[in-house]
Amino acid sequence: QKEVEQDPGPLSVPEGAIVSLNCTYSNSAFQYFMWYRQYSRKGPELLMYTYSSGNKEDGRFTAQVDKSSKYISLFIRDSQPSDSATYLCAMSTGNQFYFGTGTSLTVIP
Amino acid sequence: SAVISQKPSRDICQRGTSLTIQCQVDSQVTMMFWYRQQPGQSLTLIATANQGSEATYESGFVIDKFPISRPNLTFSTLTVSNMSPEDSSIYLCSVAQGRASTDTQYFGPGTRLTVL
Repeated sequence: QKEVEQDPGPLSVPEGAIVSLNCTYSNSAFQYFMWYRQYSRKGPELLMYTYSSGNKEDGRFTAQVDKSSKYISLFIRDSQPSDSATYLCAMSTGNQFYFGTGTSLTVIP
Repeated sequence: SAVISQKPSRDICQRGTSLTIQCQVDSQVTMMFWYRQQPGQSLTLIATANQGSEATYESGFVIDKFPISRPNLTFSTLTVSNMSPEDSSIYLCSVAQGRASTDTQYFGPGTRLTVL
């Protein structure tokens, strides 16, 4: 079983839609949870960072962590064509990092 | 957050040659990482480079093929040696920062390598 599971997609939505991206994990030692956005031909950019369980909101983006279910989510409200990218979840115990395989998202104008 | 630059941004190399990729950070960091990302794939960790110690390589990666230097807290290099077309990939460096100093990573822009 992989440490982190992420549906690779691709996911295609119309502009203005709410997007839900998800990852599951198996290691209960994970304490830090991140979402990265990667545009084509660019390095990953840290989008959201959450410590332990709970929600975090930043503009149109909301990250949720449910440690009891070992499940994290990223919600994008009012999606824009500029949100078209690959989104990678990542988790850390503080010493070891694990990345999901990434979900490719296309927002259609 | 740390600002990270990489050189070169891209290169096309001949089989059998070597390329050294540089990673520069605008602040002192303890942990630096080198990743490979092949087209359409996620990130594969090559090695962890901590200043003052030998790099730690992941399974499938060896020092002879991917020698790493870490001369100070702001700089590292990765060399891809005796290249073959299978080494064509994006190579990324990252640094660990955060409240616990190791709880998140920031990435450089990547070096796109094509081996002919």
